[in-house]
Amino acid sequence: RKEVEQDPGPFNVPEGATVAFNCTYSNSASQSFFWYRQDCRKEPKLLMSVYSSGNEDGRFTAQLNRASQYISLLIRDSKLSDSATYLCVVRGGATNKLIFGTGTLLAVQP
Amino acid sequence: NAGVTQTPKFRILKIGQSMTLQCTQDMNHNYMYWYRQDPGMGLKLIYYSVGAGITDKGEVPNGYNVSRSTTEDFPLRLELAAPSQTSVYFCASSYPVRGPSYEQYFGPGTRLTVT
Repeated sequence: RKEVEQDPGPFNVPEGATVAFNCTYSNSASQSFFWYRQDCRKEPKLLMSVYSSGNEDGRFTAQLNRASQYISLLIRDSKLSDSATYLCVVRGGATNKLIFGTGTLLAVQP
Repeated sequence: NAGVTQTPKFRILKIGQSMTLQCTQDMNHNYMYWYRQDPGMGLKLIYYSVGAGITDKGEVPNGYNVSRSTTEDFPLRLELAAPSQTSVYFCASSYPVRGPSYEQYFGPGTRLTVT
């Protein structure tokens, strides 16, 4: 079983749609959780951290369910500029080592 | 403030050749990392360093070597290149675990093809 699993997509949605991505992780001792965004042929960049209480940043909402080892990202009112690959990332251990999922590709259509 | 810079951007190697991928950061981060990303795959950690003079293996270290003589620089050495090392290589840096942020900052990547 992969340490971090994501639906690879692609998710093709129209502008203005709401889209949700899910991610599961296998190590119950994982300590921190993140969503990174990676544009085509570019480096990953932190989109947001994910907290147990859930957190929101504008149109983006992230949720963590530790009991189910499940992380989600909700994007409301999708924009063309949201088209990218979204990487679910989990940190475990004392050295800030990150475990990356394979990413979910989002394509927002005009 | 350039962040994390990597050179070269692209490189084609023949089987058996060697090369060094350069990585420099100007954010005074203690922690630095090397990842590889194969098509359709997540990033895999090759090596990491928690400070000058200290390096350790990640998930996929075979065929690579690193050194960390300064806080700023973390070069990755490929010896005897093989086609399996064709990939995109990303360098990253961060504060320590208990620093102000867990965020890892990535360089723009080096696209390497071994033929």
